[in-house]
Amino acid sequence: EAGVTQFPSHSVIEKGQTVTLRCDPISGHDNLYWYRRVMGKEIKFLLHFVKESKQDESGMPNNRFLAERTGGTYSTLKVQPAELEDSGVYFCASSQGQKQFFGPGTRLTVL
Amino acid sequence: AQRVTQPEKLLSVFKGAPVELKCNYSYSGSPELFWYVQYSRQRLQLLLRHISRESIKGFTADLNKGETSFHLKKPFAQEEDSAMYYCALSPISGSARQLTFGSGTQLTVLP
Repeated sequence: EAGVTQFPSHSVIEKGQTVTLRCDPISGHDNLYWYRRVMGKEIKFLLHFVKESKQDESGMPNNRFLAERTGGTYSTLKVQPAELEDSGVYFCASSQGQKQFFGPGTRLTVL
Repeated sequence: AQRVTQPEKLLSVFKGAPVELKCNYSYSGSPELFWYVQYSRQRLQLLLRHISRESIKGFTADLNKGETSFHLKKPFAQEEDSAMYYCALSPISGSARQLTFGSGTQLTVLP
């Protein structure tokens, strides 16, 4: 069975540009989570989808971040415009119960 | 506010020696506790959770509610145990199951 996949694996952009990260959860998993690890800090929760609905977006840092999950399948996380402090690794996880399965992450570098 | 503390950023032990990775938490209520591991060039994966009370790869962790701790232990470390270990918690019930992570401990097992 395919695990959680994320695209791209790496992204290097300049400050002010837009980047869209994609996450494909495990098929059949209703719950989808986004997390990020900023350099030197712990992994932090961004938001949680249940199917196509945002269950909790309390971790989103500001309105430059927009997440969607159209049709309750894959999800995108768009950063517009990107700032230097957005650099880090963005993880996606999916679950059907309590156990969350993580993707490999997208390493975002904002120059 | 909920918080997970891992006091050691780095921990080195020799092969065959016992290892203990410390984790303390603060949470109002009863959380579920987890240990996640990330081996080099691999994705974050669940190592164990306190509810299942199982031993994975020789690791165990006991939830101590009095001391609010969930330390990870292994009696005889192996070189393949070298990895980044994260302690995490989530609500034990309800629909909001996002994980709160500690900052991680990099374990190196020396030959």
